[in-house]
Amino acid sequence: AQTVTQSQPEMSVQEAETVTLSCTYDTSESDYYLFWYKQPPSRQMILVIRQEAYKQQNATENRFSVNFQKAAKSFSLKISDSQLGDAAMYFCAYRNYGGSQGNLIFGKGTKLSVKP
Amino acid sequence: DTEVTQTPKHLVMGMTNKKSLKCEQHMGHRAMYWYKQKAKKPPELMFVYSYEKLSINESVPSRFSPECPNSSLLNLHLHALQPEDSALYLCASSPGRGGVTEAFFGQGTRLTVV
Repeated sequence: AQTVTQSQPEMSVQEAETVTLSCTYDTSESDYYLFWYKQPPSRQMILVIRQEAYKQQNATENRFSVNFQKAAKSFSLKISDSQLGDAAMYFCAYRNYGGSQGNLIFGKGTKLSVKP
Repeated sequence: DTEVTQTPKHLVMGMTNKKSLKCEQHMGHRAMYWYKQKAKKPPELMFVYSYEKLSINESVPSRFSPECPNSSLLNLHLHALQPEDSALYLCASSPGRGGVTEAFFGQGTRLTVV
């Protein structure tokens, strides 16, 4: 069975600074997808960034980028120029290739605080 | 329209009550999902509907009964719940299977069982 591990329950960053959230996963599959979701106090899960395992290039979305290390089964999220609105719970998630898009395995989450 | 709408936003029910949670999407998605999320925990998958048929039931107790009347609507019927069933119930939808397209989530229903 696949598992996702987020080893940082809480992180804090100063506004405008950079922070990196860690995620490791375990799978025997060679093709899969990885995601970072953000859950603010509004409770809605919002996709931040996605990565296809067969792509070597790290995904980037504006201030958000990932460091995907397939051999190490590591998928960290870097947030640059942190903003107050980035404060939220961040979940790393895994999905098998070909599976239903909502059949996600989540890590336990990292609560990110942003200090003004 | 990229919204998944869940009603009600909050629900308090007694252990002998029967209530229903509703989820609606108009994105033409053919897969819909129910997740349960306890406080300070990640969401856990409960049910998956694909093309209006139940495809995954993650060993959920029978006091939770899902229903998919049509491709836009997903219900979760609740009966004889226990206080430990209090949680945030999230609905999500997605186009179907395969590809990197993500699932879209609603804002959830906060359920309290008293």
